[in-house]
Amino acid sequence: AQRVTQPEKLLSVFKGAPVELKCNYSYSGSPELFWYVQYSRQRLQLLLRHISRESIKGFTADLNKGETSFHLKKPFAQEEDSAMYYCALKDKAGGYNKLIFGAGTRLAVHP
Amino acid sequence: ETGVTQTPRHLVMGMTNKKSLKCEQHLGHNAMYWYKQSAKKPLELMFVYSLEERVENNSVPSRFSPECPNSSHLFLHLHTLQPEDSALYLCASSQDLAANTEAFFGQGTRLTVV
Repeated sequence: AQRVTQPEKLLSVFKGAPVELKCNYSYSGSPELFWYVQYSRQRLQLLLRHISRESIKGFTADLNKGETSFHLKKPFAQEEDSAMYYCALKDKAGGYNKLIFGAGTRLAVHP
Repeated sequence: ETGVTQTPRHLVMGMTNKKSLKCEQHLGHNAMYWYKQSAKKPLELMFVYSLEERVENNSVPSRFSPECPNSSHLFLHLHTLQPEDSALYLCASSQDLAANTEAFFGQGTRLTVV
């Protein structure tokens, strides 16, 4: 079954420390993965997608099909990175696309 | 307001009440979605609409009734809810269902059933 797992509910780091938010997935086809972010009192919004291979706000994520992972990384965390982060998988079953989300990880960056 | 707008932002209702959540998008998108976000659980997809036609009903109880009168508006009608239905209900839209498109979310309606 299609599933996204984010094992950490909370990740707490100090400013300037490296950050890695873990995401593992289960999908029978060719996966398409995303990271969404929700800052305090703001709406859920797309941070990055694996097919774009881009770095957004210093974050990168590499799809590792062997490990079925799509971990989100940033070498030096900033206080403004504090937010909820959701990993999502695009499920193409049924002839249309829909997003399956993980439970989310709260990132807290302390000064 | 541009983007996806949801009203009301907060709603408290009794188990015998009938209420409706509204979602509006002015992005020209053809697909709209309802998600439920409960505490400490993944976002759960409830309904998917494409060009005003429902394409998925993800095993949602009949006390939740969606309506999509046009591609810009999506409603979720609520009746005889249970306390466990208390959650944040998120609406989202995307250009369509087939392409690799981004989902845009509203800020949600925080529903409390008492």
